[in-house]
Amino acid sequence: QKEVEQDPGPLSVPEGAIVSLNCTYSNSAFQYFMWYRQYSRKGPELLMYTYSSGNKEDGRFTAQVDKSSKYISLFIRDSQPSDSATYLCAMNRGSNYQLIWGAGTKLIIKP
Amino acid sequence: ETGVTQSPTHLIKTRGQQVTLRCSSQSGHNTVSWYQQALGQGPQFIFQYYREEENGRGNFPPRFSGLQFPNYSSELNVNALELDDSALYLCASSQTATSGVGDEQFFGPGTRLTVL
Repeated sequence: QKEVEQDPGPLSVPEGAIVSLNCTYSNSAFQYFMWYRQYSRKGPELLMYTYSSGNKEDGRFTAQVDKSSKYISLFIRDSQPSDSATYLCAMNRGSNYQLIWGAGTKLIIKP
Repeated sequence: ETGVTQSPTHLIKTRGQQVTLRCSSQSGHNTVSWYQQALGQGPQFIFQYYREEENGRGNFPPRFSGLQFPNYSSELNVNALELDDSALYLCASSQTATSGVGDEQFFGPGTRLTVL
């Protein structure tokens, strides 16, 4: 079993919809949780990061962490075609800098 | 401000050959991390260099080696290439080698390596 599980999709939604992306993890030692966006033929770009449990909002993006359930989410409001990309979750224990990544979810926003 | 650059963009090698990939870190960054991303997978941490010293290594064999230069640019060397080494190799730079929020890693576009 992988330490971080993420549905690869693809997830296809109409423009303007609310998108929910999720990851589950098995290691309770993870403390820092991140969401990256990766466009085709590009490197990952950090979207959101959260320390421990709670919510964080940045514009149209909201990240949620539920450590009791070992479950993290990224919500995208008013989705746009330009949001079409692969979204990767990543997390680490805090004691070193090695990020453990999910496999990524491919998101398609239809105009 | 110049971002992270990697060269070459694409590379085709045959099994058993050796390859060197290069990365120029973002201005002001002293830490470089290398990742391997197989098709349809998330990146896997190979190793990190901080001020020219290896500062952590993932579960990769010794035939994966690296260097960091005084200007903080870096090389990834892979010897005795295997078919499974085919992947996108990503370089990321950051200001510090410590963990935690705020220590954002900035990724380059990657080098796509194909081993035949």
